[in-house]
Amino acid sequence: QKEVEQNSGPLSVPEGAIASLNCTYSDRGSQSFFWYRQYSGKSPELIMFIYSNGDKEDGRFTAQLNKASQYVSLLIRDSQPSDSATYLCAVNINPPGGGADGLTFGKGTHLIIQP
Amino acid sequence: GAVVSQHPSRVICKSGTSVKIECRSLDFQATTMFWYRQFPKQSLMLMATSNEGSKATYEQGVEKDKFLINHASLTLSTLTVTSAHPEDSSFYICSVGTDHTEAFFGQGTRLTVV
Repeated sequence: QKEVEQNSGPLSVPEGAIASLNCTYSDRGSQSFFWYRQYSGKSPELIMFIYSNGDKEDGRFTAQLNKASQYVSLLIRDSQPSDSATYLCAVNINPPGGGADGLTFGKGTHLIIQP
Repeated sequence: GAVVSQHPSRVICKSGTSVKIECRSLDFQATTMFWYRQFPKQSLMLMATSNEGSKATYEQGVEKDKFLINHASLTLSTLTVTSAHPEDSSFYICSVGTDHTEAFFGQGTRLTVV
């Protein structure tokens, strides 16, 4: 059974600080990794994807992947109240270009940015 | 990516009735679409894979006779919840299958069965 584990939170972070979200996955064959943001009552929206070990930065967001430890994280710098949402980690056993049929989602971490 | 439109965004129905949810791919000819269900504070769970022109593939534990899927064109897949009961109340989300490994989601449908 493929599993993606996240701390459900809530994780409370002061405005302007760095929010750190973590995710572990069970299938060592996973090849593609994603972070989605989901506001209450809305569908998830893709924030970042990462395929290779190391860090990937996009604006205020940095995704980190460590395949040996089966661990992926998301850092949000200069956190804003609008970042308050549930963050879903998702992994796919397919490589880039391989399609979305192998996606497994975590339950999400509820992040609260305190003004 | 792909732009996906899902309708309705919210529906309330009486127990025992059927509800149809539409998922449209607006800018991509989708031979495959995915239907997910999300209960409160839970992860998205894949229910079924919709295949254009052929039968859908259902995940283990999902009743194919209860959740009818029709994918008659490359831009439209429908999910019909038949004889809905309160335990079917959930957030239903579709996504379009492309070569990309990430999902492109519709807006989701909040179903409440009373």
